Amino acid sequence: AQSVSQHNHHVILSEAASLELGCNYSYGGTVNLFWYVQYPGQHLQLLLKYFSGDPLVKGIKGFEAEFIKSKFSFNLRKPSVQWSDTAEYFCAVLYKYIFGTGTRLKVLA
Amino acid sequence: SAVISQKPSRDICQRGTSLTIQCQVDSQVTMMFWYRQQPGQSLTLIATANQGSEATYESGFVIDKFPISRPNLTFSTLTVSNMSPEDSSIYLCSVEGGGKRGPYEQYFGPGTRLTVT
Repeated sequence: AQSVSQHNHHVILSEAASLELGCNYSYGGTVNLFWYVQYPGQHLQLLLKYFSGDPLVKGIKGFEAEFIKSKFSFNLRKPSVQWSDTAEYFCAVLYKYIFGTGTRLKVLA
Repeated sequence: SAVISQKPSRDICQRGTSLTIQCQVDSQVTMMFWYRQQPGQSLTLIATANQGSEATYESGFVIDKFPISRPNLTFSTLTVSNMSPEDSSIYLCSVEGGGKRGPYEQYFGPGTRLTVT
């Protein structure tokens, strides 16, 4: 069965630290990949998405993700996090809209 | 983008009763989705609801337990029937975006937090 794995369940960083959140999926066909973010008390929002083309995708708020097909990965990165990035991050694959378990990020001021 | 509202925002219900959750979108959409997010877990798709046809349920979810209505292109309801404490969860409605931003992006409602006692 198709699945999405996020290996980091809780991440705590200091401001200005670099961030990388792992995401691996198991589906072998063509996939569309997403990262969603949920800030405290807010709706889920799209951070970035990959459909095709350049495997390095840039999203909002300085986030980017790289699609590596050979590794079935779509890791999220940000070179320097801010306190306002404290949120829960979900990786998702379009096929059957499967979501990962989420990574709760806390950034210390 | 689509703006989605849900009612109620939260409820506390007794075991054995049913609750109907409403989802309203500010624009016409073809596909609407219902998800469940149990405490500490990810989002799980319950069903996809297209206007004018029966909802399509994912494995582990059945129509008798989660009947869905989709009377028009801007509205849907999800009923959680014969509730048990295991149904305590956040229920989310979402729609697919379209136009310039692509057909597959999803917009989510604020969710309905259900507690079953």
